[in-house]
Amino acid sequence: GAVVSQHPSRVICKSGTSVKIECRSLDFQATTMFWYRQFPKKSLMLMATSNEGSKATYEQGVEKDKFLINHASLTLSTLTVTSAHPEDSSFYICSAPRTGGKTQYFGPGTRLLVL
Amino acid sequence: AQKVTQAQTEISVVEKEDVTLDCVYETRDTTYYLFWYKQPPSGELVFLIRRNSFDEQNEISGRYSWNFQKSTSSFNFTITASQVVDSAVYFCALRGGGGGNKLTFGTGTQLKVEL
Repeated sequence: GAVVSQHPSRVICKSGTSVKIECRSLDFQATTMFWYRQFPKKSLMLMATSNEGSKATYEQGVEKDKFLINHASLTLSTLTVTSAHPEDSSFYICSAPRTGGKTQYFGPGTRLLVL
Repeated sequence: AQKVTQAQTEISVVEKEDVTLDCVYETRDTTYYLFWYKQPPSGELVFLIRRNSFDEQNEISGRYSWNFQKSTSSFNFTITASQVVDSAVYFCALRGGGGGNKLTFGTGTQLKVEL
């Protein structure tokens, strides 16, 4: 069964609003979670590494103030897309490695459409 | 820098045919991990296999098999007797051995299996 969940699975919002996406590890603790963005028919691009108890580490070119990440607990990371614009429309996926494991398990993804 | 190349953008086969998806990687790490993930139309990435750099044994799991060739930096994936349900995008990914769990993804291969 699924080991990582995401909520919501799909969201449509108006331009200028903020959207929060949650990522939860279901039966394990994750001190680190990853946020990816995927455009249609494209590969996954790592946006940032979410660290429990400390600041997220952003990849080059990703706006920190635009994509706010909070790793509130050992099972929850949130990605907030602030002041969303149509170009932020994408498929956002989170992942987490099981404790001590080397394999990342992915959430089902969140499809964001900004009108 | 790490890089994963999946030269095949799209492959179409007829059901029951065998098909091989190619993956070539680049890394300077002596210890690293290679992965294959399946992404069906629903979007959720499904973990298929992890292979570490010290284990060059080929692996078979049902209709799936993987050929790891360190000498050519390749980690190819073969589906035997393909089925329509195998239709998906398949991603090859690389994780360095230096920790951090960051994955570098290839661009993916769209596999279409037709009746």
